[in-house]
Amino acid sequence: EAGVTQFPSHSVIEKGQTVTLRCDPISGHDNLYWYRRVMGKEIKFLLHFVKESKQDESGMPNNRFLAERTGGTYSTLKVQPAELEDSGVYFCASSLWKGGSGELFFGEGSRLTVL
Amino acid sequence: GESVGLHLPTLSVQEGDNSIINCAYSNSASDYFIWYKQESGKGPQFIIDIRSNMDKRQGQRVTVLLNKTVKHLSLQIAATQPGDSAVYFCSFRDNYGQNFVFGPGTRLSVLP
Repeated sequence: EAGVTQFPSHSVIEKGQTVTLRCDPISGHDNLYWYRRVMGKEIKFLLHFVKESKQDESGMPNNRFLAERTGGTYSTLKVQPAELEDSGVYFCASSLWKGGSGELFFGEGSRLTVL
Repeated sequence: GESVGLHLPTLSVQEGDNSIINCAYSNSASDYFIWYKQESGKGPQFIIDIRSNMDKRQGQRVTVLLNKTVKHLSLQIAATQPGDSAVYFCSFRDNYGQNFVFGPGTRLSVLP
């Protein structure tokens, strides 16, 4: 079974440009999460989808970040316009979350470098 | 706000020794905890979980201990191997039930 896949693995852009990150969760996982790790610090929650609905987007830093999940399948995270502080590794994870428990299955991350 | 902290950001152990990685959390209402391992260039991977109605859970070479009184979580790795070298994150379920808060991670280095 395929795991969580993310694209691109690394993106280098200039300040002010736009970048779109994509995540394909494990098939059948209704829950999809976006997290970010900046400068080797803690993994910070960005938002959580249940199917196509945003369950919690309290971690989104500002309105330059837009996440979508078309038809409850794959998800995209767009940063527009990108700023220097947006650099980091963006992780996507999915889970089944049944019975009050469930691990998150993470992708390998998309490293974003804003110059 | 909720937070997860680690007592030691780095830990070096001799191959074959036991490792103990500690974590303090702030949300006393959290009922579910997970330890993840992240190897270089990969995403975090599940190691072991524990619910708040337990104080200890064992897996293969790993044991998680939970002390709810002092809000402390630890991961013990027996007979540490070179393949255990990685960054370890503790996480706990937040107030909203399905999201997880992560700490900064502890880097474990296994010395030959």
